[in-house]
Amino acid sequence: EPEVTQTPSHQVTQMGQEVILRCVPISNHLYFYWYRQILGQKVEFLVSFYNNEISEKSEIFDDQFSVERPDGSNFTLKIRSTKLEDSAMYFCASSLSQGRASPLHFGNGTRLTVT
Amino acid sequence: DAKTTQPTSMDCAEGRAANLPCNHSTISGNEYVYWYRQIHSQGPQYIIHGLKNNETNEMASLIITEDRKSSTLILPHATLRDTAVYYCIVTTGNQFYFGTGTSLTVIP
Repeated sequence: EPEVTQTPSHQVTQMGQEVILRCVPISNHLYFYWYRQILGQKVEFLVSFYNNEISEKSEIFDDQFSVERPDGSNFTLKIRSTKLEDSAMYFCASSLSQGRASPLHFGNGTRLTVT
Repeated sequence: DAKTTQPTSMDCAEGRAANLPCNHSTISGNEYVYWYRQIHSQGPQYIIHGLKNNETNEMASLIITEDRKSSTLILPHATLRDTAVYYCIVTTGNQFYFGTGTSLTVIP
């Protein structure tokens, strides 16, 4: 069964450094998402992306964050200058279409640790 | 999107059916009910979704009441691997908002 893959599984970085989290969505999916989960807290929506542009973003997704689909297969999340509070699991998801009957399929996440 | 209410935690004996309830009394006519689960900080895993009718797939069954104000996810024969946090989500589109879910523990 096709799946969303994320790399790396664990990223450790120093505060102030830039990080790029990578995702390969399911190949025929058109809508892409990033979510995050701080340890012990809820899974939170960050951003959705379609047709090479952001379709929706949450208040968490500030100017430090950006997303890109640099080629036909990868979808990336960049954090320009990491803060301690950015430490979390970051989940990528994709869906075939946008609509009520189109489930999101999630990857297994990248654990980001900012020291 | 409508708000959902789920019990914080539940236990189920291995091999028995696990019935996880969800209340969504403010659901609107164009909203689907989705269920996901998360096993120990892995990515949320899609289980099943429905609009009005009961649904069944290889993982679970979804029972939606006639007034659509509540639903129940049924895992017919729970195994230890079903221990997870289960999320009931009601959505009109692709914005899936996760609450705190129900922590299901399957007991040997």
